[in-house]
Amino acid sequence: AQSVAQPEDQVNVAEGNPLTVKCTYSVSGNPYLFWYVQYPNRGLQFLLKYITGDNLVKGSYGFEAEFNKSQTSFHLKKPSALVSDSALYFCAVRDDIKAAGNKLTFGGGTRVLVKP
Amino acid sequence: DTGVSQNPRHKITKRGQNVTFRCDPISEHNRLYWYRQTLGQGPEFLTYFQNEAQLEKSRLLSDRFSAERPKGSFSTLEIQRTEQGDSAMYLCASSPQLEENTEAFFGQGTRLTVV
Repeated sequence: AQSVAQPEDQVNVAEGNPLTVKCTYSVSGNPYLFWYVQYPNRGLQFLLKYITGDNLVKGSYGFEAEFNKSQTSFHLKKPSALVSDSALYFCAVRDDIKAAGNKLTFGGGTRVLVKP
Repeated sequence: DTGVSQNPRHKITKRGQNVTFRCDPISEHNRLYWYRQTLGQGPEFLTYFQNEAQLEKSRLLSDRFSAERPKGSFSTLEIQRTEQGDSAMYLCASSPQLEENTEAFFGQGTRLTVV
C-alpha cells in the first residue's frame, strides 16, 4: 500500500527566509511524487513532480523539491518565501506497480504561513 | 476557461436526501478522478474513470455512492440517502493519457453540507 506523511501541520516563516515543507512516502515499487498547493476555496494547483532522473525538481512559482530515495523523502523548498505563498500544501504519491492502480495518495497537508 | 469545472460549488441538503454533482473535465482528457476532502485532511481517492469505464473504486465508495461517465466526457457523482458524515469537499480531477506519470488537474470542488 502507498502512503504519505507530512509531519508538520503548520510551518511559519518570515518573508524572504527559506521555506521547507517536509514529506516522506512509502510505496511497494517506485514512486511518482507530486506537490500541490491549495488556496482558500480553491481546488488543488499542481506545483511540481518527480518521475525519474535528476533528484532536484524545479516547479512553478520558484518552488523546487529534492527526491531522496534512501530517506524516502520529497521535501518542498523555496529559497525566499513570499507572503503570497501562504496556503495549504499537499504531497502526493503514486506507486508505479500495476496493482496500485492510478490513484494518488495524499498527505494530510501542511499549512504554510509567511509573515511580512 | 478550459480548466476542470464542477457544479454546484456549494450544496446544502437535509439528511436522507439524494444529491448529484457534475464534473466537466478538461477537453480531451480521458482520465477522470473523484476525491473527497474533509476539513483538515488531504484528499482521499474515491473512483477513477478511463473514458466511460470505471476502472477503480475505493472502499470509501459505499453502496450509497455511484459515479458515472456515460459518454466519456462529463461525470456525475450521486450520493443517496445522505448522512452527516458525507459532509465534505468533493474534488474532481482529470488527466490526459499521454503517459502514466502525467499530473492530474483539479477542479475547485463541490462543498457538501448535510444538515
